[in-house]
Amino acid sequence: AQSVTQLDSQVPVFEEAPVELRCNYSSSVSVYLFWYVQYPNQGLQLLLKYLSGSTLVKGINGFEAEFNKSQTSFHLRKPSVHISDTAEYFCAVSDRDNTDKLIFGTGTRLQVFP
Amino acid sequence: EAQVTQNPRYLITVTGKKLTVTCSQNMNHEYMSWYRQDPGLGLRQIYYSMNVEVTDKGDVPEGYKVSRKEKRNFPLILESPSPNQTSLYFCASRPGQTYEQYFGPGTRLTVT
Repeated sequence: AQSVTQLDSQVPVFEEAPVELRCNYSSSVSVYLFWYVQYPNQGLQLLLKYLSGSTLVKGINGFEAEFNKSQTSFHLRKPSVHISDTAEYFCAVSDRDNTDKLIFGTGTRLQVFP
Repeated sequence: EAQVTQNPRYLITVTGKKLTVTCSQNMNHEYMSWYRQDPGLGLRQIYYSMNVEVTDKGDVPEGYKVSRKEKRNFPLILESPSPNQTSLYFCASRPGQTYEQYFGPGTRLTVT
């Protein structure tokens, strides 16, 4: 069975500082990987996805993530955060042969301070 | 505007009183899904549907029912709600062969 671990439940950071949100997954099959963002009182929206090809994936709002197969990780990074990046971030995985099931991590709350 | 809508957005009910949360999408998507979000647990999939009249269980289907009679609608039914179903519920949809799911705004359900 697949699972996703987000190691940090909360990450506080000052504006314009870099940030990394960690995500590790376990799976016995090849996977697709996703990062979703949830702004306060809203639904989720897709930040970026890894399907195949280059292991460095760029998403919206200046975020990027790197797929590391040997470490089974898909960490999310941004070189300089803004107040507006304050949100909850979810890592998710699905089986390449069964994309109907999407497994989410428990989420990381990013709090950006001025 | 392309969107997934859910109704109601907020609901407080009592144990055992049947309720339905509606979900509708206007993007002609084949796939639809229901999730519940609980603190410290992230989102967990309840049920999903690959197309009209085709549904399957997710990871936490107990206590829920769904139906998919029309492509645009995917209601979530709680026949006899219990307090442990107090949660934030999200509906999502996507075109059949793609990977990005579009989420609704959520329904906050409280069962007393």
